Amino acid sequence: GENVEQHPSTLSVQEGDSAVIKCTYSDSASNYFPWYKQELGKRPQLIIDIRSNVGEKKDQRIAVTLNKTAKHFSLHITETQPEDSAVYFCAASPLQGAQKLVFGQGTRLTINP
Amino acid sequence: DVKVTQSSRYLVKRTGEKVFLECVQDMDHENMFWYRQDPGLGLRLIYFSYDVKMKEKGDIPEGYSVSREKKERFSLILESASTNQTSMYLCASSLPGTGGEKLFFGSGTQLSVL
Repeated sequence: GENVEQHPSTLSVQEGDSAVIKCTYSDSASNYFPWYKQELGKRPQLIIDIRSNVGEKKDQRIAVTLNKTAKHFSLHITETQPEDSAVYFCAASPLQGAQKLVFGQGTRLTINP
Repeated sequence: DVKVTQSSRYLVKRTGEKVFLECVQDMDHENMFWYRQDPGLGLRLIYFSYDVKMKEKGDIPEGYSVSREKKERFSLILESASTNQTSMYLCASSLPGTGGEKLFFGSGTQLSVL
């Protein structure tokens, strides 16, 4: 089955700097890669996703890149702000079947003022 | 906006008790899920339901069962709670699709088994 590894487990950056979180996956059949953000005490929420026919996707200050050959994908946050502090989860699955979604271990991102 | 509501935010139970965690969604989603969240382990799927009275085991079903008698409600049952089931439990729902399914999560139930 699919295995998703996420690094680093914790990340601390200065406000205004960039943050990068990386994930690798094992199953070449995976072609959907969402990222969820969980603020302290809140529910996880989808912030961005990418499908395997696309190499990069941007939404304002966040972007995700995918390298299907190497089986890794990354979340990039630019111009970080205090509200970016949260736990971020990557995940991988086939396009159909959310029950097949496998999550990474999570990254706790702290933005220092 | 989709609302997924979990009945309890915090629960404290004793070893051996039968525990019910309830989840209700208001957007007529076919799919519902129960996840367990533990530090350093991410989110792990316990059970999944794609229709009323239908269920499938996830990655860690041992010690758990589920019930889906109505489309909007999905219950997680711990038949005999044990201390290793102390965890954050998250319910989620989604619409089946072909473009990647977005999960809508509840706020979670922090269960402590003493």
